[in-house]
Amino acid sequence: DIQMTQSPSSLSASVGDRVTITCQASQDINNYLNWYQQKPGKAPKLLIYDAPSLETGVPSRFSGSGSGTHFTLTISSLQPEDIATYYCQQYDDLPWTFGQGTKLEIK
Amino acid sequence: QLQLQESGPAVVEPSETLSLTCTVSGGSISSRPYYWGWIRQTPGKGLEWIGSLSYDGSTHYNPSLKSRITISADTSKNQFFLKLSSVTAADTAVYYCARHNDYGDPGVFHSWGQGTLVTVSS
Repeated sequence: DIQMTQSPSSLSASVGDRVTITCQASQDINNYLNWYQQKPGKAPKLLIYDAPSLETGVPSRFSGSGSGTHFTLTISSLQPEDIATYYCQQYDDLPWTFGQGTKLEIK
Repeated sequence: QLQLQESGPAVVEPSETLSLTCTVSGGSISSRPYYWGWIRQTPGKGLEWIGSLSYDGSTHYNPSLKSRITISADTSKNQFFLKLSSVTAADTAVYYCARHNDYGDPGVFHSWGQGTLVTVSS
């Protein structure tokens, strides 16, 4: 299985900050990389797919980048409603696998 | 608007079979190009893809669970199902159903149900 490693595992930032979360794949995943946001008690919500593509309806402050094995999710200006746990997920090879999550908190 | 809703027993006894239903509204499970999947979430292992069923009835399963899972559908009721046999405490999780392959991107889960907590306990 392809292992997905996120860093950091938790992050505290202030409103308005630029926030970056990274995801490392154990092998080349050809940009088949998605990012999800999960708020407490809710299902994950797709933010970014195929590395840089923004899902319809997702605010433009969210962006994704990277290729091969190293990917990033960036929030350009953190808003209070962005407090959540963020997960990366690869679908280059079965079984599709997720990172362990990055919990984002407000400072 | 597409909605997915999981249903099933909240508690399952060890060694028994976990059975869940996902009822879909606002879209047909027979429509191309959609796939319909199950994902679970535990505190220990995080998010884990269980398996999926495509619009044409073909299935893909996580090899780690393949010997114990069956995913099927009833198109007349617009429902799909998960059966996980021989459950143990390690199968205690929140189970989600989801739609994917919306744009020919098989592993992108665009829409999710709200999830249902299943506890394995006697």
